[in-house]
Parts: sequence; C-alpha cells; structure tokens
Amino acid sequence: DQQVKQNSPSLSVQEGRISILNCDYTNSMFDYFLWYKKYPAEGPTFLISISSIKDKNEDGRFTVFLNKSAKHLSLHIVPSQPGDSAVYFCAAMKTSYDKVIFGPGTSLSVIP
Amino acid sequence: GAGVSQSPRYKVAKRGQDVALRCDPISGHVSLFWYQQALGQGPEFLTYFQNEAQLDKSGLPSDRFFAERPEGSVSTLKIQRTQQEDSAVYLCASTSGANVLTFGAGSRLTVL
Repeated sequence: DQQVKQNSPSLSVQEGRISILNCDYTNSMFDYFLWYKKYPAEGPTFLISISSIKDKNEDGRFTVFLNKSAKHLSLHIVPSQPGDSAVYFCAAMKTSYDKVIFGPGTSLSVIP
Repeated sequence: GAGVSQSPRYKVAKRGQDVALRCDPISGHVSLFWYQQALGQGPEFLTYFQNEAQLDKSGLPSDRFFAERPEGSVSTLKIQRTQQEDSAVYLCASTSGANVLTFGAGSRLTVL
C-alpha cells in the first residue's frame, strides 16, 4: 500500500520552461512534506520542504504547493535548467522526527 | 566527516552468502536511518537509530536483516543468507534531529 504516489514516472521539459512534478498521498496523518533530488550513483539530496500549516514554500527557482484537502502537492521549477535533470522524490512524514516515506520518483529531463 | 560515507559502494554476493554494509554518519548526528532502494523505485524505510538505540525496525523485510549501531556512531546493516530479491541499493542517512536527512551514496548489492 503506497502512501506517497508519483504517478508520472518521467517528464520532459524544454530549457527555460516550467517543470511541474506532482505527488499525492493517502495518509492524512502526514504533517511535513519534502522533495529530494537524485543524480545517478549518488544519494538523494534535500531540495525543499513544506509544513502542513502552509500551502506554499518558495526557494529560488523551486516552489512547493500543498493542497491538504486534496492530499496533493506539487513542485514547480522555473525556469528549468539542464542541470535540473534528475530523479525527484516526493516524501512525507507524520512528525518532524518521524521516518520519511518516499514516493517512487519522477525522472525529469530538461532539454537544452 | 563532511558527509555520510558508505562502504562498500558495490558488493556482489552469491546467493546464501552473508554481507555487511557499513555506514559512517556525519559526526555528531544523533539519528541514523537505513533505506532500501530497488531499481526504479523510491527508497523504502528499513530501520532507525537514535544514538545506539534502535527505535524502529518495522521496515526490515525478514529476520535475515539485522542492523546495529553499538557506539551511537558507525552503523552496520547485515544480511544473512542473501537472496536474489535482496539485490538493491542500500542507503544510509543521518540527521542531527531535524527532519532533513543527509544521505550517503549508497551500497549497491547484487545477489547472483
């Protein structure tokens, strides 16, 4: 039973355009959400997070939106750059000291 | 150290062999997590330590999997009598107590 879902295994975007990565979750107890980015042969690295008391968090080119009623979050990258090409994992946790539950990932390709 | 270090980076084992995977967390990080990442999937939680105490081992897939962190620093994940389905990347992550995990590059296990 997958608690964090990323229904698009892959996404291809032109350089300079917006990338939108989507994530859905099933557990209403999740309180904190994170996005991690992974390059081949490396471990995932933290990108951005959002608490359930917010509906938006922005950090430079990266913005995460949270819709609690729909149990949906999305990551927007604008403008997209070739270096953003990686696998993006959506993740969630019940409290800030709980284990992190990851989605299956979306592979983003940014085409120059 | 500067980051989370895992060894070996690659391990090939014959079915039935025992393997041991090592994780050196960031110095001073209290919490340590082990995750298993199968090909094309997101990291799956295995177990969690706070200092030397193993607080959650609910993700360990069978009693062939055992993890320890005897002095609250280095951790070892041991897999006994390896099976082909154990083939995966094993990721270790540490944190000072906040919700952002710092991952190592992983140990890729291939069981023949």
